[in-house]
Formats: sequence, structure tokens, C-alpha cells
Amino acid sequence: RKEVEQDPGPFNVPEGATVAFNCTYSNSASQSFFWYRQDCRKEPKLLMSVYSSGNEDGRFTAQLNRASQYISLLIRDSKLSDSATYLCVVNQGGKLIFGQGTELSVKP
Amino acid sequence: DAGITQSPRHKVTETGTPVTLRCHQTENHRYMYWYRQDPGHGLRLIHYSYGVKDTDKGEVSDGYSVSRSKTEDFLLTLESATSSQTSVYFCAINGDSYSGNTIYFGEGSWLTVV
Repeated sequence: RKEVEQDPGPFNVPEGATVAFNCTYSNSASQSFFWYRQDCRKEPKLLMSVYSSGNEDGRFTAQLNRASQYISLLIRDSKLSDSATYLCVVNQGGKLIFGQGTELSVKP
Repeated sequence: DAGITQSPRHKVTETGTPVTLRCHQTENHRYMYWYRQDPGHGLRLIHYSYGVKDTDKGEVSDGYSVSRSKTEDFLLTLESATSSQTSVYFCAINGDSYSGNTIYFGEGSWLTVV
């Protein structure tokens, strides 16, 4: 079993749609959690950190459920520019583990 | 932009030859990582370092070795390259073991083994 697993993709949605990504992790000692965005053939870039209380950044909302060991990312009012691969990342005391990524394609 | 560079950015090499990829940082960050990325697999951790001369294996370490003799450089070596090691390699740096605010990636090194 992979340490960090994500929903299989791709997700194809129309502009304006709401889309949700989920991610589960197996190591309960994991300390911090993030969502990264990666555009084709580019390096990943931090989208947002994920906190137990939930956090929001504009159209993006991230949630962490430590008891169930999953994190989620909600994107509201999808834009064409949101098309990318979204990676969940778990920090285990300095060791960064990535999920396999979920591809999102937003269509006009 | 964070001071992290990878070299070479692109390389074609023959099966059985040694290859070394270099990651250089100017941020004085403690942690450094090497990942490979292949279709359908996301980023898989090869090795990481938590200090000078301190390294540990990741998920896909077979066939790879690393060295970190100084804070700013983390070298990834393929002792005898194989076609299965054709991939994009990303280096990353991290300033602490908890927050994500100090994690930065290099632009990637495209390696083709023929």
C-alpha cells in the first residue's frame, strides 16, 4: 500500500464547476500536510497548507481529518487556469511524501 | 525565486554509464530531496538528506546513491544507468521539518538512458 494515495483522475469539469480531491495517508505520525499544483513539465508549487481546523484561500478550501487520515481540497467556481495536476503531500518529520497526483482539466 | 538549481537540465546517456545529477542551493536549508517523476506515479522519493553527511532512503532508492558533503550540494548518482531510470528528476529543499513555507523545487533534470 502506498503511503499517500489520491483519487484517480483525470477529472474533466466545465468552467464554474465545483470539484473535490481526496487523499489518504497511512502513517498516523505524519505531522503536516499540503496541496501542491503542478503544470505540465514544470516543478510542483505550493498551493496551500492544510490545517486541522480547515483553511480557505479564495476559491480553494482544504480540510484535514486526522482521525480518518485523509485530506481534501475543494475548488469552487473552476477556471480554465485551474487545469493542472494536484498533488497531496505529507511531511513526516522532514521526509516529504507525495501522492501520485490527480489531473484536473477545466473545459469552456 | 528561491536559490535552487539543478544540473544538468537535460542529458542523454548510454546504458551502463555512470551519471551524476547535482542540486545546488543558496538558502542554507537543512533538508534536501531527490525525486523522480514518471507518468501515473507522481513524485517518488529516491533519497533525502537531513544534514551534511546525513541521508536516508526513500521509496525507490535501488540503483541510486547520494552524497552531501556540504550544506549547499546534494548529488544523485546512477552508478550504472539503465533504461528504467529514464525519467524527470526533481530536487527540492526544505528549511524545517514541519511547515511548508520553505519548500522549493528545482526546475527538473530530464534524463534519457538509451
